[in-house]
Amino acid sequence: SQQGEEDPQALSIQEGENATMNCSYKTSINNLQWYRQNSGRGLVHLILIRSNEREKHSGRLRVTLDTSKKSSSLLITASRAADTASYFCATVHHAGGTSYGKLTFGQGTILTVHP
Amino acid sequence: SAVISQKPSRDICQRGTSLTIQCQVDSQVTMMFWYRQQPGQSLTLIATANQGSEATYESGFVIDKFPISRPNLTFSTLTVSNMSPEDSSIYLCSVEPRGMTYNEQFFGPGTRLTVL
Repeated sequence: SQQGEEDPQALSIQEGENATMNCSYKTSINNLQWYRQNSGRGLVHLILIRSNEREKHSGRLRVTLDTSKKSSSLLITASRAADTASYFCATVHHAGGTSYGKLTFGQGTILTVHP
Repeated sequence: SAVISQKPSRDICQRGTSLTIQCQVDSQVTMMFWYRQQPGQSLTLIATANQGSEATYESGFVIDKFPISRPNLTFSTLTVSNMSPEDSSIYLCSVEPRGMTYNEQFFGPGTRLTVL
């Protein structure tokens, strides 16, 4: 079953505006990752935040993590039309003592940036 | 990082038939994963394929329906068997390259399957 819930489900903004997407999860995690998917194609890894981190930046991306609330947010600043895509959070759990990570994806936010 | 290709990129199949999807990676990887993305939905993990061992299936997915092969460290196949319209989805493979500290995964472009 999907662990993550994301809101909003859809977000429509103008170029230059900021876009904020939120993700909540239910169980403890090793880390949380954000991915982008263009037009139902493959996913692109955007940014990762570890469970002991609270905030991380990468270019125009800023991600926060609040483990006490089991939530994360992704902020895209100064959005561009090319940012139009679906954005998914994914939590990582190390199941059964293994070292590889099983990703559990949230429901995703569809972002539309109008030129 | 890793570059991943999938074949076919899309297919339209008849009910009751089977389709095998191939996933090729440009480097040797230990872990490969297969996901299903139903229309308008998020990704659900089908199974984890470790080279040299049987695939590990998630709840709700069985080997008879989704047999997986992992003959070497750069290749895997997923077969969707005895298909029905409910199997219409995008199927994606992903890998966790060696040396990834925090389990980032890299995804193939996906195979869009339509079952009539």
